[in-house]
Amino acid sequence: AQSVTQLGSHVSVSEGALVLLRCNYSSSVPPYLFWYVQYPNQGLQLLLKYTTGATLVKGINGFEAEFKKSETSFHLTKPSAHMSDAAEYFCALRSSYKLIFGSGTRLLVRP
Amino acid sequence: EAGVTQFPSHSVIEKGQTVTLRCDPISGHDNLYWYRRVMGKEIKFLLHFVKESKQDESGMPNNRFLAERTGGTYSTLKVQPAELEDSGVYFCASSQERTGPPSAKNIQYFGAGTRLSVL
Repeated sequence: AQSVTQLGSHVSVSEGALVLLRCNYSSSVPPYLFWYVQYPNQGLQLLLKYTTGATLVKGINGFEAEFKKSETSFHLTKPSAHMSDAAEYFCALRSSYKLIFGSGTRLLVRP
Repeated sequence: EAGVTQFPSHSVIEKGQTVTLRCDPISGHDNLYWYRRVMGKEIKFLLHFVKESKQDESGMPNNRFLAERTGGTYSTLKVQPAELEDSGVYFCASSQERTGPPSAKNIQYFGAGTRLSVL
């Protein structure tokens, strides 16, 4: 069965520090993977996606993710955290047309 | 271009009452999805429309939930009668799979959600 696991329900970083949010997936077919972000009182916004091709994917707001088939991972990174990055982040795997989500990681950014 | 719109943003009802949630997808998007996030859990798929047809309703929890998409435009999700465990945030998303720019394909655009509280 296809699944997504996000390690760490909460991640806390200092402003300016590296952000690393972990996502591992399980899929019997080549995956389409996504990262979404939800800011307080807003809907889900697409950060980036991987379908095929280049394994390092750049998204909005300075985020990027690398697809590693051998590790079945799609971790999200940002070199320098900003206070405005505080939000909940969701990794998702496409299964047929529907999305299978991880449980989400809430990012806290300390001043 | 307007995004996915959901109404209401919040709904508080008592157990046994009926609630209807509405979703207006992005204009021209044939695919419409409903998802739900129960407190502390992951976002879970409920069902998928292509135009007015239900393609996949495998995620619908039980027969108290009824989704419709008359005319292939907006969709409603009715819960009747509501139970305590139905509380959560209901998200709607839409996508365009067959036409449009490649960069927009395979992307589901989400609304802000409806927070349902059943007391």
